[in-house]
Amino acid sequence: AQSVTQLDSHVSVSEGTPVLLRCNYSSSYSPSLFWYVQHPNKGLQLLLKYTSAATLVKGINGFEAEFKKSETSFHLTKPSAHMSDAAEYFCVVSDPPNTGNQFYFGTGTSLTVIP
Amino acid sequence: KAGVTQTPRYLIKTRGQQVTLSCSPISGHRSVSWYQQTPGQGLQFLFEYFSETQRNKGNFPGRFSGRQFSNSRSEMNVSTLELGDSALYLCASSLGDYPPPRGTQYFGPGTRLLVL
Repeated sequence: AQSVTQLDSHVSVSEGTPVLLRCNYSSSYSPSLFWYVQHPNKGLQLLLKYTSAATLVKGINGFEAEFKKSETSFHLTKPSAHMSDAAEYFCVVSDPPNTGNQFYFGTGTSLTVIP
Repeated sequence: KAGVTQTPRYLIKTRGQQVTLSCSPISGHRSVSWYQQTPGQGLQFLFEYFSETQRNKGNFPGRFSGRQFSNSRSEMNVSTLELGDSALYLCASSLGDYPPPRGTQYFGPGTRLLVL
């Protein structure tokens, strides 16, 4: 079965410092992985996705993630945090091909940006 | 291109009532998935519809049901509401062509349901 583990439930950074949100996945096949962001009282917005192309994936708003098969990780990073980055972030793995379109969500990481 | 829309945005119901939520997918998307989000359980998959057929189902009781229309719009129904059904209900659409590729899901803003 597919699953993701977000290693930190809460991360605090100062504005202008780097952001690292950690995600490990478990999958019996080559996975599709996603990061979504959810601002308060909003739906989920896609930040970036990995679908077996380049292992370093660039997303919106300066975020990027690196797929590391040997470490089964898909950590999200940003060089310099902005106040508007404060939100809940979800790492997601999807079903294997030809078996469904279900997404499996991590428990989320709440990012606080300190001015 | 318009995004996923959900109506209503907010609902207040009492225990025992039933509720119907609506989701309009992005134009051209044929797959609609529903999720329940609560502080305690996080995001949980309810079901997925594709071409008017339920293709995938999560681990929820039969009180939760859905359907999809020929224009891909989807509705979700919850009967005999319980206090624990209070949640944000999110709808997501994707291309979802069969056999399913690894489709990216695009989410709506959600319907916040409060059961009193």
